[in-house]
Amino acid sequence: DGGITQSPKYLFRKEGQNVTLSCEQNLNHDAMYWYRQDPGQGLRLIYYSQIVNDFQKGDIAEGYSVSREKKESFPLTVTSAQKNPTAFYLCASSRASLYGYTFGSGTRLTVV
Amino acid sequence: QKEVEQNSGPLSVPEGAIASLNCTYSDRGSQSFFWYRQYSGKSPELIMFIYSNGDKEDGRFTAQLNKASQYVSLLIRDSQPSDSATYLCAVNDLKSGGSNYKLTFGKGTLLTVNP
Repeated sequence: DGGITQSPKYLFRKEGQNVTLSCEQNLNHDAMYWYRQDPGQGLRLIYYSQIVNDFQKGDIAEGYSVSREKKESFPLTVTSAQKNPTAFYLCASSRASLYGYTFGSGTRLTVV
Repeated sequence: QKEVEQNSGPLSVPEGAIASLNCTYSDRGSQSFFWYRQYSGKSPELIMFIYSNGDKEDGRFTAQLNKASQYVSLLIRDSQPSDSATYLCAVNDLKSGGSNYKLTFGKGTLLTVNP
């Protein structure tokens, strides 16, 4: 079955550490996205990529980094520069915005 | 200026009633409109999309689009307690260098269906 897989489901990070969230899709979608969701804030775009080896900053890219070396994969690194990383992180993919996004199940990151 | 606006709710309706969720958007060139349902602690799930003015029905759900008024709505007939969730409106974003790959999301409306 085609889909989009995020791992891990839950992640705990100590302050000062970098962590990487995984996102893999087998839908053959060109575009992939990372969103952050906080209570009452809605979805905020971190980074997106339309093609391999190319990506653009979203609205809240500071403290995050991404790579797109393969069409299927779009990992997100939360760096120690991100001051408030505790949030629910959602990865999505799309053939084109005319068709909407498919979301992964999300990763809940907590700083301890 | 917010690009996609929704009433945050909560919207509370009794079981069996019609729930009406509304969304306005600012970009007159937007072409595609989506409704996502998000249960607490889960990821958003696409439930309806609409491209043309008028109504589109799928089971108990009807999406309505009025491009002249820049307004899109979602009606849920015979509401069930299992419909209790946050409903996100999304519109395709034609700005940012001509990219047609981005959606802009509203903050969502929390719907509660009471048994």
